[in-house]
Amino acid sequence: DAGVIQSPRHEVTEMGQEVTLRCKPISGHDYLFWYRQTMMRGLELLIYFNNNVPIDDSGMPEDRFSAKMPNASFSTLKIQPSEPRDSAVYFCASSFRQGDGTQYFGPGTRLLVL
Amino acid sequence: AQKVTQAQTEISVVEKEDVTLDCVYETRDTTYYLFWYKQPPSGELVFLIRRNSFDEQNEISGRYSWNFQKSTSSFNFTITASQVVDSAVYFCALSEEWAQKLVFGQGTRLTINP
Repeated sequence: DAGVIQSPRHEVTEMGQEVTLRCKPISGHDYLFWYRQTMMRGLELLIYFNNNVPIDDSGMPEDRFSAKMPNASFSTLKIQPSEPRDSAVYFCASSFRQGDGTQYFGPGTRLLVL
Repeated sequence: AQKVTQAQTEISVVEKEDVTLDCVYETRDTTYYLFWYKQPPSGELVFLIRRNSFDEQNEISGRYSWNFQKSTSSFNFTITASQVVDSAVYFCALSEEWAQKLVFGQGTRLTINP
């Protein structure tokens, strides 16, 4: 079975540009999570969805960040405008409440904002 | 509030040595879930184990073993006869609800030297 798929794997952009990260969860999973990993703050939850509905977005840094899940198989995390401090690895994960409850992670998107 | 502490930032051992990674957690809930993930140099997050708070039985999987002690709020991870391929950053994580958001420790960077 395919795992969580993220694209792009690497993104280099200039400050002020819009960045869109994409995620396809494991088929059948009903929870989707976006995490960010930095050296200073470690792994932190940004937002998560249940059945495509945002449940907790308290980790979203500021209004420049937005996330959507238009259907069960696709989610986006958008940063507009991007800033150098947004440089990080962004992970998407999914889980299945009626299953083993474990979160399985995608390979991550390494974002560098110059 | 929930919190996970991995006091060991870095550990370096020689191949074939046994090594234990410590994890201490804080939660007010009586039901919770503990996890270990491995992040190899390639960057992905690999699930290793999940443990429920009501199951204190220790687990062994090959060279890996986990010691869960509610009395000390600890969930330690031991690698027996370490190998170079075990070199990675290891994260302990806590969830207070099934299949839902994780709070991660800061990670322990383990280096196995040949």
